[in-house]
Amino acid sequence: GAVVSQHPSWVICKSGTSVKIECRSLDFQATTMFWYRQFPKQSLMLMATSNEGSKATYEQGVEKDKFLINHASLTLSTLTVTSAHPEDSSFYICSASVTTGGNIQYFGAGTRLSVL
Amino acid sequence: RKEVEQDPGPFNVPEGATVAFNCTYSNSASQSFFWYRQDCRKEPKLLMSVYSSGNEDGRFTAQLNRASQYISLLIRDSKLSDSATYLCVVGLNTGFQKLVFGTGTRLLVSP
Repeated sequence: GAVVSQHPSWVICKSGTSVKIECRSLDFQATTMFWYRQFPKQSLMLMATSNEGSKATYEQGVEKDKFLINHASLTLSTLTVTSAHPEDSSFYICSASVTTGGNIQYFGAGTRLSVL
Repeated sequence: RKEVEQDPGPFNVPEGATVAFNCTYSNSASQSFFWYRQDCRKEPKLLMSVYSSGNEDGRFTAQLNRASQYISLLIRDSKLSDSATYLCVVGLNTGFQKLVFGTGTRLLVSP
C-alpha cells in the first residue's frame, strides 16, 4: 500500500511553545490530506481536511488559529500546534487519500504530543 | 447518539476461536465502509473494505447491511497476532472523503 511518513513520532514541549508536525506521502501524490486527533481510549476525531494549495477545512470546534495547517505541495502537509497547553497533549495522526481504489486513506504513524 | 457505534469489549478468546464484531452507523448517506485495525499506540491500518455483497479476505469476512445500517466482521481461527482494537469506519462524501471512526472493539486472543 501507499506509504505516509509522519514526523516527529514523539515530542515533549513546554506550555506556550509551538510544535510543527510533518506529514509526507512518499510514493504517491496526495491531493487531500487529513489531520486527526485521538485522546486515550477514544476514537480518532477528524480535525481538518487539507487540500494542496488551498485553505484547510476545519471541523466544528477545532480552532483554526491554534491548529495551523499548510499543504504547500502534493506530498507535504504540516500541522502546527501554536501556544500548546497541557490539554493539547494527544496522539495526532495524519492520513493521505489515494483517489483511485475507493478513496482509501493511508495513515502516518502518528505523533504523540506531551505538553508539560 | 454516536455516528458509529461499537461494543468496546474487550473480547477475550482462545486461539483458534471464531469471533464476531458488530457496528451500527447513523448516517444513511454513508457511502463507504471499512474495518481498520489499530495496535496500542500505533496508527490505524486498513484491514478491509466492506461491500454490500459481503467480502472475504483469508480468515476475515465482512458484511454490510445498508437497510439496517449494520456492519460486521468475522474472524475465524483467531491468532495471537490478531489481538488489537478493530475500528469500524464509515466514509461520507462531503466534497472530500470524510471518515468517521467508531471507538473500536478490543480483541485479546490468548494461548
